[in-house]
Amino acid sequence: GAVVSQHPSWVICKSGTSVKIECRSLDFQATTMFWYRQFPKQSLMLMATSNEGSKATYEQGVEKDKFLINHASLTLSTLTVTSAHPEDSSFYICSARRDYGYTFGSGTRLTVV
Amino acid sequence: DQQVKQNSPSLSVQEGRISILNCDYTNSMFDYFLWYKKYPAEGPTFLISISSIKDKNEDGRFTVFLNKSAKHLSLHIVPSQPGDSAVYFCAASKETSGSRLTFGEGTQLTVNP
Repeated sequence: GAVVSQHPSWVICKSGTSVKIECRSLDFQATTMFWYRQFPKQSLMLMATSNEGSKATYEQGVEKDKFLINHASLTLSTLTVTSAHPEDSSFYICSARRDYGYTFGSGTRLTVV
Repeated sequence: DQQVKQNSPSLSVQEGRISILNCDYTNSMFDYFLWYKKYPAEGPTFLISISSIKDKNEDGRFTVFLNKSAKHLSLHIVPSQPGDSAVYFCAASKETSGSRLTFGEGTQLTVNP
């Protein structure tokens, strides 16, 4: 089945630094990828839709300058959390759309200290 | 505005019995619904989906029912197994409008041996 590989699975960084999260579709081409964020015991909230070769579409309230999304190829989308702060600590998950549904990455636990 | 709601944060069921997870939505434009299972620190895993042209879809132990007039869907798991213990998310999308998924808050299912 379709596999979406997300790395790293967890990362701890210092406040003020930037962190890059990668999402790769391993056996299919994903023209569109989605980035979600999940706080403990809460729903998955869509942050942005990443389109290959064009700018990402951000949801209302998501700072595009803080959460940089790049979808340079049909198999790779990256989310960079710039100047991270403790409130950015969360679980970030990517997803790609296929003909029969959506496949999710394994998620990245970001902790900003 | 929470367009997809799962009003029960948790459900506890005895092994072998039926688990019924419920989900309500408010946006009548949603035409595709999905259920995902999620373990802590992992991405969601697709379980089953249903299109709005159907009212039931069955896959092994999992059956999803859709009541469009009530804007309600439910996931039935029978018989329930301890390995089914996880958080279950329902999600909805408008297939004709970019395929974004809107998630409910999730229901923690615990199946007791």
